[in-house]
Amino acid sequence: EAGVAQSPRYKIIEKRQSVAFWCNPISGHATLYWYQQILGQGPKLLIQFQNNGVVDDSQLPKDRFSAERLKGVDSTLKIQPAKLEDSAVYLCASSLAGYTEAFFGQGTRLTVV
Amino acid sequence: AQRVTQPEKLLSVFKGAPVELKCNYSYSGSPELFWYVQYSRQRLQLLLRHISRESIKGFTADLNKGETSFHLKKPFAQEEDSAMYYCALLETSGSRLTFGEGTQLTVNP
Repeated sequence: EAGVAQSPRYKIIEKRQSVAFWCNPISGHATLYWYQQILGQGPKLLIQFQNNGVVDDSQLPKDRFSAERLKGVDSTLKIQPAKLEDSAVYLCASSLAGYTEAFFGQGTRLTVV
Repeated sequence: AQRVTQPEKLLSVFKGAPVELKCNYSYSGSPELFWYVQYSRQRLQLLLRHISRESIKGFTADLNKGETSFHLKKPFAQEEDSAMYYCALLETSGSRLTFGEGTQLTVNP
């Protein structure tokens, strides 16, 4: 089966610029996660969708981060404006339902300079 | 709030030696626990989950609710086991998946 697709793979931007990441989950997967993984740390959940509704966004810095999942399929995560501390790998994952195995994409490595 | 702790950031063993990667959790409900693995240049993937009670690639993990632990074990480590291992807890309500900080396992020849 096709896996979770993410783009771009790498992105370098200057601080205060904006950036967007795209995720295409496995077909039929209702649950979609966005994680932030800073170097040397474990993945930290930013937002979780069930179909096109937000289940959990308690750890999303809403003053600069936003995410949407239109039509309950693809999702985009946006940062505006970016800060140096946003440098990280952004992982997208999907699961058939919230209680089943999560499948991860390759991630987008963001560097803010 | 739920929390997953992996006390060792780095673990190094020799090929053929037993290995144990520690994981402790705190969660007020009934947890579902997983081990995920990330090999070099590959994506994060599921290794095993406690409810399946399977042995995957020779690894096993037992949920100990009394000690709130879910340690990953393998009796004879192989060089191809070298990877980053993450313990994760799935809330049974709300389905939040929380990860530990990870343990980098290196198996030396």
